[in-house]
Amino acid sequence: DVKVTQSSRYLVKRTGEKVFLECVQDMDHENMFWYRQDPGLGLRLIYFSYDVKMKEKGDIPEGYSVSREKKERFSLILESASTNQTSMYLCASRNRGGSYEQYFGPGTRLTVT
Amino acid sequence: DAKTTQPTSMDCAEGRAANLPCNHSTISGNEYVYWYRQIHSQGPQYIIHGLKNNETNEMASLIITEDRKSSTLILPHATLRDTAVYYCIVRVWLFGVDSNYQLIWGAGTKLIIKP
Repeated sequence: DVKVTQSSRYLVKRTGEKVFLECVQDMDHENMFWYRQDPGLGLRLIYFSYDVKMKEKGDIPEGYSVSREKKERFSLILESASTNQTSMYLCASRNRGGSYEQYFGPGTRLTVT
Repeated sequence: DAKTTQPTSMDCAEGRAANLPCNHSTISGNEYVYWYRQIHSQGPQYIIHGLKNNETNEMASLIITEDRKSSTLILPHATLRDTAVYYCIVRVWLFGVDSNYQLIWGAGTKLIIKP
């Protein structure tokens, strides 16, 4: 079974803190994604990566950055957390070819106070 | 902006077929329709996808209208474990990025299966 793990299920941070969210997948997938999920808005793409050290902006990249130094790991960074970044953050991965199915992690619920 | 609209919530009796509608009237000719579901406290799970033909797998069936402006996800014999939020999604190509695409998610339908 494909496994996507996220470093924390729940996280509470203060405004202005630097926050790291880690995601690891064990299926050698090329593509990895970071989404945020807010009530009534579905999932919105923040950033994605289609290879090591490669990254592309999604729909809402402002206030976020990412790092992909190894194929299995994709990190989301909040340089200076703000209260409007309180949300559920979901990581996903997929193979570049074949099935277009994305595999999701369980999510990290981040609260910024 | 979301390219799909779905009812906010629906109920279905256990053992009955659950039919979840989705409108995607602005879909382009090469854009696929995907369905995922999200059970409480879990990440979304892929169900099925299609372009213009009807599709069926072990989880569900997907019926796409001939004009492709709407579709219906059918869970043939709903169980209590099918209670979840169901997302209808349009897959768009990311031009200039090899073999990549983006999923444009709607707000989802909360499906409650009642005993």
